[in-house]
Amino acid sequence: AQSVTQPDIHITVSEGASLELRCNYSYGATPYLFWYVQSPGQGLQLLLKYFSGDTLVQGIKGFEAEFKRSQSSFNLRKPSVHWSDAAEYFCAVGGTDTDKLIFGTGTRLQVFP
Amino acid sequence: GAVVSQHPSWVICKSGTSVKIECRSLDFQATTMFWYRQFPKQSLMLMATSNEGSKATYEQGVEKDKFLINHASLTLSTLTVTSAHPEDSSFYICSARSPIQDTDTQYFGPGTRLTVL
Repeated sequence: AQSVTQPDIHITVSEGASLELRCNYSYGATPYLFWYVQSPGQGLQLLLKYFSGDTLVQGIKGFEAEFKRSQSSFNLRKPSVHWSDAAEYFCAVGGTDTDKLIFGTGTRLQVFP
Repeated sequence: GAVVSQHPSWVICKSGTSVKIECRSLDFQATTMFWYRQFPKQSLMLMATSNEGSKATYEQGVEKDKFLINHASLTLSTLTVTSAHPEDSSFYICSARSPIQDTDTQYFGPGTRLTVL
């Protein structure tokens, strides 16, 4: 079955600290992978995406993610977190065989000054 | 580029009334739009896929007669919640894909908060 798992429901970090949000997927075909961010009461903003090629993907706001096929993972990273990064982060998977996205349950990031 | 808007951003209605939510792609034409529902502190659940000029495809468990979707043009899709009840209160989000560029990426609207009294 196709699925996305975000094991961490809630993460708290100090401003300036590094961040890694985990995402594991299960997908039968070639996956397209996405990270979206949602601020409270808002829609989703695309941070970055992976379709093919270089497995280290750079996104907006200083985020990056690495696709590891052997681990079925697409973890999101940021070297130094800013207070404005506090939000809900969703990992999603799609593919060449569908136009739908499957979303993970999200990780809420809290940033302390 | 790739901006999607929704209107209204929030709406409060009485039980039994119908509510229409609009989703527009502002700077691109979208042959495919998607409607999602999100409950508090939960993930997005796909309700239906809307293709311009054809009937929407609903996900299992979504009542098509209750959630009417119309995709009459390449820039507009509407979701009408008919005979709304308190359990329909939720955050509704649409997304759109361009058929020309970046065809596998969905761009999301800001969402519509529906409260049914």
